Amino acid sequence: DGGITQSPKYLFRKEGQNVTLSCEQNLNHDAMYWYRQDPGQGLRLIYYSQIVNDFQKGDIAEGYSVSREKKESFPLTVTSAQKNPTAFYLCASSSPGQAATNEKLFFGSGTQLSVL
Amino acid sequence: QQQVKQSPQSLIVQKGGISIINCAYENTAFDYFPWYQQFPGKGPALLIAIRPDVSEKKEGRFTISFNKSAKQFSLHIMDSQPGDSATYFCAASVSGGATNKLIFGTGTLLAVQP
Repeated sequence: DGGITQSPKYLFRKEGQNVTLSCEQNLNHDAMYWYRQDPGQGLRLIYYSQIVNDFQKGDIAEGYSVSREKKESFPLTVTSAQKNPTAFYLCASSSPGQAATNEKLFFGSGTQLSVL
Repeated sequence: QQQVKQSPQSLIVQKGGISIINCAYENTAFDYFPWYQQFPGKGPALLIAIRPDVSEKKEGRFTISFNKSAKQFSLHIMDSQPGDSATYFCAASVSGGATNKLIFGTGTLLAVQP
């Protein structure tokens, strides 16, 4: 089945620790995104990548870092600089340039990050 | 100007009733307005979308109504079912660019009571 796989489903972070959330897609999509979801605040864009080896900051990038070494993978690191990391993190992909699906985002099932 | 305002925050509807969720925007450059449905513990999934060249789009029990002059759009769920219970997000973007940067509303938690 084609789709986006996020792991782990649940993650706990100790104070001062960096943690990495995995996102893998087999949809052959060029663009990938990380969103943060907090209750009552909708989805906020953290980082996005339109192509391998290139990524851009979203609206709330502080305290996060990403890499895009492979088309299929877009891991997100929540660093110790992120003081309020508890949230539901969603990875998504899309295929810009294909008119029929230009704006359709495909989401993974998310990772719930909590602070110990 | 980049915000999309969504209301209500939560909604309780009886089975068979009509669920209505509203969104408003300020940026007149927005030209693509999708709705996403999210079940607990899952990622959102595209439900239905509209562009401003039409005032209404219907797919099964789901209808988007679009009012360009008022800069508002709404989702109507006819004959609401308990399986429709989920969080619904409206969104907006400027299409045609290389970047797909959807601006999401804050979400509406819908509960359909049997």
